[in-house]
Amino acid sequence: EAGVAQSPRYKIIEKRQSVAFWCNPISGHATLYWYQQILGQGPKLLIQFQNNGVVDDSQLPKDRFSAERLKGVDSTLKIQPAKLEDSAVYLCASSKDILSYEQYFGPGTRLTVT
Amino acid sequence: KNQVEQSPQSLIILEGKNCTLQCNYTVSPFSNLRWYKQDTGRGPVSLTIMTFSENTKSNGRYTATLDADTKQSSLHITASQLSDSASYICVVSADGSGNTGKLIFGQGTTLQVKP
Repeated sequence: EAGVAQSPRYKIIEKRQSVAFWCNPISGHATLYWYQQILGQGPKLLIQFQNNGVVDDSQLPKDRFSAERLKGVDSTLKIQPAKLEDSAVYLCASSKDILSYEQYFGPGTRLTVT
Repeated sequence: KNQVEQSPQSLIILEGKNCTLQCNYTVSPFSNLRWYKQDTGRGPVSLTIMTFSENTKSNGRYTATLDADTKQSSLHITASQLSDSASYICVVSADGSGNTGKLIFGQGTTLQVKP
């Protein structure tokens, strides 16, 4: 089966610019996660979707970050405006459902804000 | 505060040698503990998942142990290979509602295997 797809793989922007990341989860997976991984640290959950509804966005900086999963399949994560501290790898993961132990991660998008 | 701490932060070993990575956690309520392998430039890949009742689980040359009483886990790698060079992340699931997606990640141990 195809894995979790993400694009772009790399992005370099200047601070105060906007950026969007795209994720296509494994077919049939109801739960989708966005993580931020700063260099040298473990991933931090930004937002969790169950189908097209938000389950947890408690750690999402809502003043600049937004995410949507309109049809319960693909998802986009947007940052507007970007700050230097947003430089990180943004990982998307999916699982069959909210009770499933196994999460499958995509390759990530490496964002550099200059 | 729910935390997962790993040691050592980094490790260098020679090919063919064994090594053990440590994970201590202070997470409640505890649901399960996972070890992930993350190659450079890739997303994490699950190696093992252990629930409260399991104290050991193997996946090829990887063996994870769990002591739920002391809240410690270890990942033992046998007969290391160059391809084992990666970051190994300990992750604990904590959610009393049954949402197994609520994960707390350690900072990872970076393993380098040298020929």
